Amino acid sequence: SYVLTQPPSVSVAPGKTARITCGGNNIGSKSVHWHQQKPGQAPVLVIYYDSDRPSGIPERFSGSNSGNTATLTISRVEAGDEADYYCQVWDSSSDHPYVFGTGTKVTVL
Amino acid sequence: EVQLVESGGGLVQPGGSLRLSCAASGFIFSSHSMNWVRQAPGKGLEWVSYISSSSTAIYYADSVKGRFTISRDNAKHSLDLQMNSLRAEDTAVYYCARVHGGSMDVWGKGTSVTVSS
Repeated sequence: SYVLTQPPSVSVAPGKTARITCGGNNIGSKSVHWHQQKPGQAPVLVIYYDSDRPSGIPERFSGSNSGNTATLTISRVEAGDEADYYCQVWDSSSDHPYVFGTGTKVTVL
Repeated sequence: EVQLVESGGGLVQPGGSLRLSCAASGFIFSSHSMNWVRQAPGKGLEWVSYISSSSTAIYYADSVKGRFTISRDNAKHSLDLQMNSLRAEDTAVYYCARVHGGSMDVWGKGTSVTVSS
């Protein structure tokens, strides 16, 4: 089945930019979605279809996807952005169609 | 307000059964496919099962295939997950999530399942 690999952790200072990668074989040919999960809370969709933002998600969150890597970028990081972030794809050719990445813990220094 | 509320979690012995439910409100439930996703303590998200809007397509993760059964009642705006032959490794918070294209755009708060003797 399809595998998505993320770095376990990313640390960033307030006001700086955090970049979280999601690696997968030819992931650029798929649509990538990103979910944010704060401690003790349910996940929240923050980016869908590579780079679209649901209503209510700040413009500071953006996404890109090309080749074998998708990237979630958080600009002007705030303390409230500290959370786990999971990439996710839908593999239409599989009977296990939903795949999550391994997750990245973003720590705001 | 669009909302998903899970229920039915609890403590169960290995080999036992549990039925989870997810009540949907604030949207046209019958128009959306649904997923169950779980998260073991301290671990990442794991997709468990998918059901299409009319129940014509159903998929399971290998880890639960043959033991779990997903179903829905569009008239009652409800989604269920029947879990049989439970194992310690099924211990997790179980979330129901609304499918939006290839993503999941609405999540419930989750219900906790503990499998232990």
